Amino acid sequence: NAGVTQTPKFQVLKTGQSMTLQCAQDMNHEYMSWYRQDPGMGLRLIHYSVGAGITDQGEVPNGYNVSRSTTEDFPLRLLSAAPSQTSVYFCASSYLTGGNSPLHFGNGTRLTVT
Amino acid sequence: QQQVKQSPQSLIVQKGGISIINCAYENTAFDYFPWYQQFPGKGPALLIAIRPDVSEKKEGRFTISFNKSAKQFSLHIMDSQPGDSATYFCAAGGTGTASKLTFGTGTRLQVTL
Repeated sequence: NAGVTQTPKFQVLKTGQSMTLQCAQDMNHEYMSWYRQDPGMGLRLIHYSVGAGITDQGEVPNGYNVSRSTTEDFPLRLLSAAPSQTSVYFCASSYLTGGNSPLHFGNGTRLTVT
Repeated sequence: QQQVKQSPQSLIVQKGGISIINCAYENTAFDYFPWYQQFPGKGPALLIAIRPDVSEKKEGRFTISFNKSAKQFSLHIMDSQPGDSATYFCAAGGTGTASKLTFGTGTRLQVTL
């Protein structure tokens, strides 16, 4: 099993550009989520999904969009990149809801916005 | 609003020593308290977790101590090894209003020879 796969591993964007961070899992997990990790801030929830066709906002959703058309995939879209979005982004999935069961994380995408 | 407070921010421990990381939470709806371990360049991975029906859980050299009345929990790493050098995150979650896992800010542990 590959688990949770994130692409790309690294990305550099200019301010105002858009891009999509890809996330795929092969564990048939219903719950998927996106976190950003910043020094001294821990992991903060951006968006999450409890199943195909269902998404909701987390703690820091502004500037990001998500969709969940299949159980396996949960892409994160940056609409117009800003330097404040420079961060490491992690996708995570779990069998049950994200608050009550183990989260399986990908290895992250390191994004730099200049 | 930080619902899970973690300390210290960084920790240096000699090989064979005990590493202790503390966390405190505010939301009494939390009933699931995991710890995650993260190595450089990797995503966090679940290390150990506890639910409030017990005050302690041990897995190998790793122990969670839980104090429900004080709303605090801690991770103890016994006989710390250089391979334990990593960043550790506590978290809290549950169901209903606590259904989204909330993470602490992380502790960078370095175990020296």
